[in-house]
Amino acid sequence: DTAVSQTPKYLVTQMGNDKSIKCEQNLGHDTMYWYKQDSKKFLKIMFSYNNKELIINETVPNRFSPKSPDKAHLNLHINSLELGDSAVYFCASSQPPGAGNDEQFFGPGTRLTVL
Amino acid sequence: AQSVTQPDIHITVSEGASLELRCNYSYGATPYLFWYVQSPGQGLQLLLKYFSGDTLVQGIKGFEAEFKRSQSSFNLRKPSVHWSDAAEYFCAVARGAGSYQLTFGKGTKLSVIP
Repeated sequence: DTAVSQTPKYLVTQMGNDKSIKCEQNLGHDTMYWYKQDSKKFLKIMFSYNNKELIINETVPNRFSPKSPDKAHLNLHINSLELGDSAVYFCASSQPPGAGNDEQFFGPGTRLTVL
Repeated sequence: AQSVTQPDIHITVSEGASLELRCNYSYGATPYLFWYVQSPGQGLQLLLKYFSGDTLVQGIKGFEAEFKRSQSSFNLRKPSVHWSDAAEYFCAVARGAGSYQLTFGKGTKLSVIP
């Protein structure tokens, strides 16, 4: 009964391809996030959704498009993959900030390698 | 904008020794502060958090952290380290209630010598 799950765990692809990473949470949270962890382990938020509505969109290229079909899912689609997109992508979820418990629960990560 | 500094990139301690990982933040008001741990190949797990109240907070796995407003610090401590504590530790700050944005430090890698 994994709380936040991501698929796939590993993704190896060629430059220029389009790929998607899926995220699902079974915690009943309204808020979900995507983070990118680079090769130096630096974690940076990319997107935040609350109740399927985009809240945060950091300076991420337009090639990255999150999609939230329902509150339990936040998928990340990446077009025209570039070498610099190689990283570990983490999905997370939480109660809405300010609701009294701001803990974010993280998925296991998806290691994307672009060749 | 808020920022988080973890001055130590890598720390090595002997098993059974005490541990302190440093974290300094930059934010005008009282921040929400977190420590997360990432074991190799794993996601992040919350160790503890500070929102308000008692400045010494207890977390899981025997960790504690102390919020010092005057020093803009939120250092993580453990009195006796176990080999299983070897991991990457991240300090993070949120801009208080209602903030969706969690800003992370660059992490401190902890190695434990048996």
